[in-house]
Amino acid sequence: GENVEQHPSTLSVQEGDSAVIKCTYSDSASNYFPWYKQELGKGPQLIIDIRSNVGEKKDQRIAVTLNKTAKHFSLHITETQPEDSAVYFCAAIYSGNTPLVFGKGTRLSVIA
Amino acid sequence: EPEVTQTPSHQVTQMGQEVILRCVPISNHLYFYWYRQILGQKVEFLVSFYNNEISEKSEIFDDQFSVERPDGSNFTLKIRSTKLEDSAMYFCASRPGPGEKLFFGSGTQLSVL
Repeated sequence: GENVEQHPSTLSVQEGDSAVIKCTYSDSASNYFPWYKQELGKGPQLIIDIRSNVGEKKDQRIAVTLNKTAKHFSLHITETQPEDSAVYFCAAIYSGNTPLVFGKGTRLSVIA
Repeated sequence: EPEVTQTPSHQVTQMGQEVILRCVPISNHLYFYWYRQILGQKVEFLVSFYNNEISEKSEIFDDQFSVERPDGSNFTLKIRSTKLEDSAMYFCASRPGPGEKLFFGSGTQLSVL
């Protein structure tokens, strides 16, 4: 089955700097790659996603890139703010009703 | 904005007791899921449910677990005889269709003593 690896496990950046989180996946059939943000005591919230037919997607300060050949995808947060501090999870899925497989998460700390 | 709601937010139980975790998925969604997250670890898939039956389940979802959609709005996870290692945050999730965005509830923190 699918296996998702995520790095780094922790990341500290200064406010205003960029943060990059990287994930790799094992199943070349996976075609949907969402990113979730989880704040303390809350459930994962979808922040951005990308499908395998595109290489990059942006939403304001957040962008995701996908390299299907290398089977990796990345989350980029620019101009980080303290409220970006949270745990971020990448995930991958083969289409249909198959369940999301999550990475282990990255704890991002934005230092003011 | 519609959201997945879960109750209770916290549940404390004694080992060997039965617990039922409740979820109300988003109203027009057809696919329902339970995931769990042990403290500090990744979110793990338990079970998926569609058209009133289980679609897929993980190794974690053994005979002690069951799911039910008792009416048109609720989706429940039952653990028949809880074990210490069942202590975790349990998340319900739903999506409108296959391959669509998956939305999570805020979770139920289950503590088995």
